[in-house]
Amino acid sequence: DSGVTQTPKHLITATGQRVTLRCSPRSGDLSVYWYQQSLDQGLQFLIQYYNGEERAKGNILERFSAQQFPDLHSELNLSSLELGDSALYFCASSPHLGHYNEQFFGPGTRLTVL
Amino acid sequence: SQELEQSPQSLIVQEGKNLTINCTSSKTLYGLYWYKQKYGEGLIFLMMLQKGGEEKSHEKITAKLDEKKQQSSLHITASQPSHAGIYLCGALHNNNDMRFGAGTRLTVKP
Repeated sequence: DSGVTQTPKHLITATGQRVTLRCSPRSGDLSVYWYQQSLDQGLQFLIQYYNGEERAKGNILERFSAQQFPDLHSELNLSSLELGDSALYFCASSPHLGHYNEQFFGPGTRLTVL
Repeated sequence: SQELEQSPQSLIVQEGKNLTINCTSSKTLYGLYWYKQKYGEGLIFLMMLQKGGEEKSHEKITAKLDEKKQQSSLHITASQPSHAGIYLCGALHNNNDMRFGAGTRLTVKP
């Protein structure tokens, strides 16, 4: 158990809908990272927040957004969902800002768009 | 598109045998990570390498970084069924550009 929690574990929704994925980092970790893992694209870095501020952006679509709240939990919002958004979404946390640190991954949220 | 090439894509070894997984980047490496993933589960951090020539070991797993060749290798000695899973390398090309390989699926036959 990494100490990172993600909810929900599974989510099934329809195209065009909007969903919110939630992540609670390990106690004391200030950085939260979001990743998408799909069969065709593999694992991709989406975005990083550090202590409430966006710090790095990867391959995140404009339809997706994220935020980190004062209690350090983070949410990833996915809107106008398409079939291709079906994937495993992971969040990870680390104590520090940069990527030069071990990241602790949550169990993931499996999103299925029908 | 994958900017990190991992090889082999899959590997089946007999328990007790050694094996090597390679990861080659098409861009300059600022850091190289190795992760292990059980199917459908989160990633477990194994090691991070930053400096050319750096080598790290944890239990029976050793990773090396050849900065000039922009490549890293992960070596498992005397493999065990518990080593089975998907091994992913991740490369930090600059502070915002984190890329991952497609993974190597390792099966260890008892």
